[in-house]
Amino acid sequence: EVQLVQSGAEVKKPGESLKISCKGSGYSFTTHWIGWVRQMPGKGLEWMGIIYPGDSDTRYSPSFQGQVTISADKSISTAYLQWSSLKASDTAMYYCVRPPTFYGWFDYWGQGTLVTVSS
Amino acid sequence: EIVLTQSPGTLSLSPGERATLSCRASQSVSSSYLAWYQQKPGQAPRLLIYGASSRATGIPDRFSGSGSGTDFTLTISRLEPEDFALYYCQQYGTSPRTFGQGTKLEIK
Repeated sequence: EVQLVQSGAEVKKPGESLKISCKGSGYSFTTHWIGWVRQMPGKGLEWMGIIYPGDSDTRYSPSFQGQVTISADKSISTAYLQWSSLKASDTAMYYCVRPPTFYGWFDYWGQGTLVTVSS
Repeated sequence: EIVLTQSPGTLSLSPGERATLSCRASQSVSSSYLAWYQQKPGQAPRLLIYGASSRATGIPDRFSGSGSGTDFTLTISRLEPEDFALYYCQQYGTSPRTFGQGTKLEIK
């Protein structure tokens, strides 16, 4: 059974750094792209970017390029989303997703990680 | 970037009725690479339809998708109480992948 298990909720202050994780299991982690989706409070879904753990090929949505870093550690089947300096506007639920192919639908979703940035 | 516009914003219907949700794209969606998701409060979205008309595993056959090019539709033939939720369309054939703003299906 394919599972994506995300790290727990975080409360941070503006300017702090953060790295959240998504551990994949039940499938070949290195041969499937894994991506991230943001949902701000009461708002819709936004695709942030995607990574191929096999060779770390990473693509970003223009809206998120330079704002976050997506990475993966294939030795522990885990993808990451990180910020170097959080802003209040980064407060959101973040989901990892796994499409079957690069241009694929999101058939598997993590449970979500709530990030709250507040002074 | 392909902009997806969903209508209506809110749809008020009763159990047993038929629901028709629309998703219109600002340009043609390549190869009908369009999906529909359902999201309930406090839950991650769930895939319903991919390829514009293929039901995902485990999705009841009261859910159906249709359309091509720039106009797509999600139809729920007979609403069950558990179908009242938020619905999003998404195109995944062009980067960046984009979602519609959502349609809220509420009980009348």
